[in-house]
Amino acid sequence: DAGVIQSPRHEVTEMGQEVTLRCKPISGHDYLFWYRQTMMRGLELLIYFNNNVPIDDSGMPEDRFSAKMPNASFSTLKIQPSEPRDSAVYFCASSLGGAGTDTQYFGPGTRLTVL
Amino acid sequence: GEDVEQSLFLSVREGDSSVINCTYTDSSSTYLYWYKQEPGAGLQLLTYIFSNMDMKQDQRLTVLLNKKDKHLSLRIADTQTGDSAIYFCAESIGSGGYQKVTFGTGTKLQVIP
Repeated sequence: DAGVIQSPRHEVTEMGQEVTLRCKPISGHDYLFWYRQTMMRGLELLIYFNNNVPIDDSGMPEDRFSAKMPNASFSTLKIQPSEPRDSAVYFCASSLGGAGTDTQYFGPGTRLTVL
Repeated sequence: GEDVEQSLFLSVREGDSSVINCTYTDSSSTYLYWYKQEPGAGLQLLTYIFSNMDMKQDQRLTVLLNKKDKHLSLRIADTQTGDSAIYFCAESIGSGGYQKVTFGTGTKLQVIP
């Protein structure tokens, strides 16, 4: 398997624009996670899905953020409108199950810069 | 509540041992993990320990858990330049089908040749 795939790897946009980040989890994994990493706040869990259903979105910072998982092989994280404070690296991760022994496999991340 | 803390930076010479420390606050942690993040990449699981264990060894890696003090450490023997990365401590909490994983702030390890 190619691992978790994220696109784009880098995104530079202007404040107010819509940004869509994409993720393809490892085939067969039932859990998908979206994280945000910044110097100030470290790694934060934004939302996670189980079998394509959003389970916990309490980490989503504002209504400007939304995430979808239309099928088992694709998820998106959308920011509309984007703001400079959204600049961060966004990671997608997937795991076979939700147990403590189920390893989370991370994608390479999308580095977002909002000017 | 959940809080995982680490020192931000550690510098060691190649060939020496590295010890990265972590403290956590939730005594109901089930598993504790060490992840490695290389530049420009996502996190990769290195090893994990069940909360009822004191120690786990895996080749050059030794994990020590002091549950009483809520202290976890990762020792890397014979540190190599390829070990330069950010190391994240994490804990999982919960029961049933899902265990929530909380990550620390990460420790940047610099290995000096």
